[in-house]
Formats: sequence, C-alpha cells, structure tokens
Amino acid sequence: EVQLVQSAAEVKKPGESLRISCKGSGYNFINYWISWVRQMPGKGLEWMGRIDPYDSWTNYSPSFQGHVTISADKSISTAYLQWSSLKASDTAMYYCASRPRSGDHFDYWGQGTLVTVSS
Amino acid sequence: QSALTQPASVSGSPGQSITISCTGSTSDIDGYNYVSWYQQHPGKAPKLVIYDVSNRPSGVSNRFSGSKSGNTASLTISGLQAEDEADYYCGSYTTSSTPVVFGGGTKVTVL
Repeated sequence: EVQLVQSAAEVKKPGESLRISCKGSGYNFINYWISWVRQMPGKGLEWMGRIDPYDSWTNYSPSFQGHVTISADKSISTAYLQWSSLKASDTAMYYCASRPRSGDHFDYWGQGTLVTVSS
Repeated sequence: QSALTQPASVSGSPGQSITISCTGSTSDIDGYNYVSWYQQHPGKAPKLVIYDVSNRPSGVSNRFSGSKSGNTASLTISGLQAEDEADYYCGSYTTSSTPVVFGGGTKVTVL
C-alpha cells in the first residue's frame, strides 16, 4: 500500500526555524516527484514547489521561492519542507503529494502537517 | 486569486447528477489534457478522483466522470450520495510561472 506519512503538528514562534517531513512507503520513492501544497485556514490549495528525489532537483512557485526550502533524502524515502524564519502568515496545513513521472496529477497525499506560528 | 475558476458551491438532492465547472485558459486547460480533480472532506487530505481529464484511479466510484471542452473542464457526479458532500478542486498543468495550478474549490452540498 502506497503511503505518505507526514510529521506531527508544530507550534512555533515568529522568527523560529522549522523542518517538516514526508516519508514514502509502499513504492519506489525515486519514481515519483514530491510536491508540497499549502492550505491556509478555510482556503484552497496552493502549490508551493516540488522535488525529484532521484537527483534532488527542485522547482518553486514564485510565491514561495526564497521563503521555503524543499529537500529529500532518497536513502530513507523522505522529503522535507523547511523554513529558516517563520511568520504568522505561515500558519496553515501543509500537504505533501506524489506525482508520477508519466503524469501531471497528484495520486497520493500525506495526511497533512498543521503548522501554527504565534507569539 | 486562483488561476482556474470554479463556482463556490453546487448542491443537489440524493440521486441527482451535478456538474462542477473549472475554467482556465490556453496556458492550461485549453492547451493540455492534464486536468485533475480532487475531493476533500472536512479535516482530511485531498483525494484524487479524476486525472488526465477523464480517467478514474482504481477504487474511485464510476459515478465520477470528467470532461473538457475548450478552456473549461467539468466534473460530473451522478447518483449523488451523502458521502459525496465535500470540497472539490480542479488542477491543471500550466505554462505559467508554476507548472501546476488549482481552482479555488467548490463546496458540494447534498440536500
């Protein structure tokens, strides 16, 4: 069974750093791109960026470029999303999702990681 | 503002059929057959229900169907059931500044 399991919810203060994770299982991790998608409270889905776990090539939305970093460790089938300095406006649910190399859709999603940034 | 436009809400009675539209442009829907649809129940992660305009993943009910005409894609849910009450998002490949765009989402209510 294909699964993407994300790390637990986090509560942070503005200016703090954070890294959340997404571990894949049940499939060959390097055969799928991993994207990160933000969903702010009561709002829609926003694509943030993606990584090819095979060679760690990344691609970011201009809206998130420079504010987040996406990385992956293929040896442990895990992708990461990190911030060096959180803002209150980063409060949201973050999902990882897999995209097959042969398609342009997200076939599996993690359960989501809620990030709350508050002083 | 989302790149793809969806109605905010659609409703129907059990057993009826409803259709959700998703309007884009020549940079996305009209130019490529990479339209996908996602179902999201409250407090849950999105789930893929249609990909490549009209293909259903294994395990998705055949009550869900997708189509496209020009710059507008559609998701039709036939034989509406209480469990179909959820938010639905369209997505598409795009040649704009990001490779993926989503619609703003449509809340489906079963009356």
